[in-house]
Order: sequence, then C-alpha cells, then structure tokens
Amino acid sequence: RKEVEQDPGPFNVPEGATVAFNCTYSNSASQSFFWYRQDCRKEPKLLMSVYSSGNEDGRFTAQLNRASQYISLLIRDSKLSDSATYLCVVNQVATTDKLIFGTGTRLQVFP
Amino acid sequence: DAGVIQSPRHEVTEMGQEVTLRCKPISGHNSLFWYRQTMMRGLELLIYFNNNVPIDDSGMPEDRFSAKMPNASFSTLKIQPSEPRDSAVYFCASTLDRNTEAFFGQGTRLTVV
Repeated sequence: RKEVEQDPGPFNVPEGATVAFNCTYSNSASQSFFWYRQDCRKEPKLLMSVYSSGNEDGRFTAQLNRASQYISLLIRDSKLSDSATYLCVVNQVATTDKLIFGTGTRLQVFP
Repeated sequence: DAGVIQSPRHEVTEMGQEVTLRCKPISGHNSLFWYRQTMMRGLELLIYFNNNVPIDDSGMPEDRFSAKMPNASFSTLKIQPSEPRDSAVYFCASTLDRNTEAFFGQGTRLTVV
C-alpha cells in the first residue's frame, strides 16, 4: 500500500462549482499534513497546512480525520485559475523528517 | 532571498554518461530533499539531509545514484551511468524546520537518450 494515496482525477468542474479531494495515509504516526498545488511544468508550492481542528483559507477548507487516516480539501466557488494538480503531503515527524507526497489530483475548471 | 536554486534547468545526455544536478537551498534551512517526478510515479523522495547529514536514502533507486551535501549551502545528486529510464524532473526542496513549508527549486528536466 502506498504511504499517501490520492485519486488522480482529473476532476472537470464548471466555474463556481464546489469540489472536494480526499487523501489517505498509511502511517498512523504521521504528524503533519499539507496540501500543495502544482501548475503544469512548475514546482509544487504550499497551498495550506492541515490542522487537527480543520482550517479555512478563503475558498479553501482542509480537514483532517485521524481515526480514518485521511485528509480532505474543499474548494468552493471554483475559478479557472484553480486548475492545477493538488498534492497531499504527509510528514512523519515522529519517526523521521520525511515529506511524502501523494501522486496528486488534477483539477480542470472550465468556463 | 532567491529561493532554492537548481542547475541546470535542462539536461540532455546520452546513455552511459555521468549527470550531476546541483542545488542551493534557502539560507538557514536545515533540511534538504531530493525528489524525482514522472507522470507514472509522481513525486518520489530520493534522499533527504538534515544539517548536511543524509538521514534517509531509502528512495535512491540504485547504486547509480548518489547524493552529497558538503556544506549547508550546496548539494549534488549524481547519476553514473545514466539510463533512459532516469529521464524525469528532479526537484530539490528545503525546509527551515519540521512542520514547516517546503520550498522547491524550479527543477532540472533530465532527458537521457
């Protein structure tokens, strides 16, 4: 089983739609969680950290479910500029400093 | 700060040749990571360093790959001999500390023919 798993998509949604991505992780000792965004032929960049209590940043909401070992990202009111690949990232801080990336979920927002 | 700097941006080489990729992390960052990205396998962690010491190299695919970090401001990833299946984008990233954001370089696009 992969350490971090994501649905590769693509998710094709119209502007204004709400879309959600899930990500599961295998190591219950994982301590830190992030969502990164990667545009085509660019490097990944941090979108937001994921806190135990859940957190929101504008149109983006991240949730963590430790019991089921998954994190989610919700995007409301999708914009064309949201089209990108969204990478789920897990840091197993308790055992190592490893930053493990999922393979990413591709989002395409159309007019 | 200029961010994480990688060189070269693009590299085309013939099979069997030695390839050296370079990375300068953000000044003051304590951890440095080398990743390889392909369409099929996504972003794979090859090796990471903490305070210039290799901590985990379990992702290095085989003995043809080696990485060094002689000081806090420089790291190399070497492939010798290179093979066509090594073609990928290689990213270097650095972090200040645990639980903090990883900043990536722009990557080196390697093509082995």
